Amino acid sequence: NAGVTQTPKFRVLKTGQSMTLLCAQDMNHEYMYWYRQDPGMGLRLIHYSVGEGTTAKGEVPDGYNVSRLKKQNFLLGLESAAPSQTSVYFCASSPTGFTDTQYFGPGTRLTVL
Amino acid sequence: AQSVAQPEDQVNVAEGNPLTVKCTYSVSGNPYLFWYVQYPNRGLQFLLKYITGDNLVKGSYGFEAEFNKSQTSFHLKKPSALVSDSALYFCALGDSGYALNFGKGTSLLVTP
Repeated sequence: NAGVTQTPKFRVLKTGQSMTLLCAQDMNHEYMYWYRQDPGMGLRLIHYSVGEGTTAKGEVPDGYNVSRLKKQNFLLGLESAAPSQTSVYFCASSPTGFTDTQYFGPGTRLTVL
Repeated sequence: AQSVAQPEDQVNVAEGNPLTVKCTYSVSGNPYLFWYVQYPNRGLQFLLKYITGDNLVKGSYGFEAEFNKSQTSFHLKKPSALVSDSALYFCALGDSGYALNFGKGTSLLVTP
């Protein structure tokens, strides 16, 4: 049981490049989330999904897109990376909504030059 | 607006002493409160949660938290700190949607 995994672990991009971060969970959870963590700002929700084929905006969605084509996967895309998107990105999943425990992946450290 | 605050950026405590990491919240309805811990270069791990019921909630690794409705607080506590407890601690509030609002985190340093 791997839990929540994230690919890649590290990435360096140049401004304007695009990339996709992959999150996978093997716990059959309905809900999945993407957060970014910046020093002194805690975790901020980018997008989330309440089930296969659904997505919704979180607190800081601008510059990101997501897709949940399969229940176990939640993809985060950056179409044109900017230095302000330099951050550590965490994916999480939970069986149900906000009253339930969230399980986090190990994170992806992204640097945009 | 619903929010959670962690008033201390860092807490220092000597090993063996009791520790407290503070959290206060603001919510219009019933609060759903969580504590998570993050060790260096790792993802967040769940410690405990308050949904309803007893005001004293027990969690993993000997941690507990006390829900105080009148003071709108949910402080994390441990009777005897270990060096291995040194980490970043996050309080989180479940809102009326589907996600959690996280505090900015408190860095706990336990010295030998």
